Amino acid sequence: GQQLNQSPQSMFIQEGEDVSMNCTSSSIFNTWLWYKQDPGEGPVLLIALYKAGELTSNGRLTAQFGITRKDSFLNISASIPSDVGIYFCAGLTTSGTYKYIFGTGTRLKVLA
Amino acid sequence: EAGVVQSPRYKIIEKKQPVAFWCNPISGHNTLYWYLQNLGQGPELLIRYENEEAVDDSQLPKDRFSAERLKGVDSTLKIQPAELGDSAVYLCASSSSRGRNEQYFGPGTRLTVT
Repeated sequence: GQQLNQSPQSMFIQEGEDVSMNCTSSSIFNTWLWYKQDPGEGPVLLIALYKAGELTSNGRLTAQFGITRKDSFLNISASIPSDVGIYFCAGLTTSGTYKYIFGTGTRLKVLA
Repeated sequence: EAGVVQSPRYKIIEKKQPVAFWCNPISGHNTLYWYLQNLGQGPELLIRYENEEAVDDSQLPKDRFSAERLKGVDSTLKIQPAELGDSAVYLCASSSSRGRNEQYFGPGTRLTVT
């Protein structure tokens, strides 16, 4: 099935560093969601974005809805070991069908 | 508020056997989704319900997969017969049409077909 491109695919960072990841598509989306998934668990919703250009924060997490509506970005500031996991973006398309399309995931590993 | 509940959490079956997964969405959420998640990939939609109506089942392999949401609350996803390639995590999610399209996931059922 269709999946959005997420970058980077994986990354190792030192504790305390800032992290940036993005999600891109050739399609326009009306909503972007960012999730974190720990091993053996379901994805947990972190941030939701509803308008082009919107910038939203949740603690150390900040996400932006790209102006073109084809991309989104997630930043994590001052990473800590519990930030380890897989981060997924999801874009909502209402063109033709109402459907969330998920990214391929960014696997984050934090070195203490 | 209780989250999305799924059971069982794990299931191991032999190929050609049937299997069923159950989902109870967040109270008041009228939209329910079943997703398939293969190892190392993002979730992919199998079916979406609005109340008791399946409004998008275009990605559901209907030769062996079926789903129901008889009273517009709980839902069951069934596979009969299971194949080796069905080994994956099956996720249920729910959202409210009165809300802002935020989907919340359950913990998933990890299926292993041997």
